[in-house]
Amino acid sequence: GESVGLHLPTLSVQEGDNSIINCAYSNSASDYFIWYKQESGKGPQFIIDIRSNMDKRQGQRVTVLLNKTVKHLSLQIAATQPGDSAVYFCAENIWLGGGADGLTFGKGTHLIIQP
Amino acid sequence: DAGITQSPRYKITETGRQVTLMCHQTWSHSYMFWYRQDLGHGLRLIYYSAAADITDKGEVPDGYVVSRSKTENFPLTLESATRSQTSVYFCASSGAATYEQYFGPGTRLTVT
Repeated sequence: GESVGLHLPTLSVQEGDNSIINCAYSNSASDYFIWYKQESGKGPQFIIDIRSNMDKRQGQRVTVLLNKTVKHLSLQIAATQPGDSAVYFCAENIWLGGGADGLTFGKGTHLIIQP
Repeated sequence: DAGITQSPRYKITETGRQVTLMCHQTWSHSYMFWYRQDLGHGLRLIYYSAAADITDKGEVPDGYVVSRSKTENFPLTLESATRSQTSVYFCASSGAATYEQYFGPGTRLTVT
């Protein structure tokens, strides 16, 4: 999994297996979390989000789990495909000041799909 | 094509030169952001803007200048480029009622 301040971790999984990417967030007051996917040479792309009043949310082949007690977020990808190879970031909302809300990002996890 | 675009996609410049990176979005989003992405540091916020003519510093603003005269444009200027500003720069935008940010394709800047 990923954590702020560490080098970029790598997760290698077999095609067709499920992947679980973990993220430890820092601010217990955060009430919104997003997972982004970044393919090589592209900008981050929204995958799924979850609010702090939920502990699970499902999308197409993806599930996000939120454990507020230990400030932990995970992204589960079912039946991984070659197109899932990318760097995955978690993000949490922050107050930027001046009436603006923003996001702070984790360092990312590189997901590699083995054929 | 609608969305958020950045130009140029690649730029090589020399130390001390001024360079401007362009960002344009077609959603009329209120918020716009500039990030730099470096290995080991992830995405770091340089500047952000809550609306036209309103800009503010992020985590790493030194050496950068922004402006926002129109809602759809948010240029980032390096007034005197340094090698430490070699990076990939991403522009993002979001609507007023959401945290979700939409990212452009990035500009890879090399300062020699």
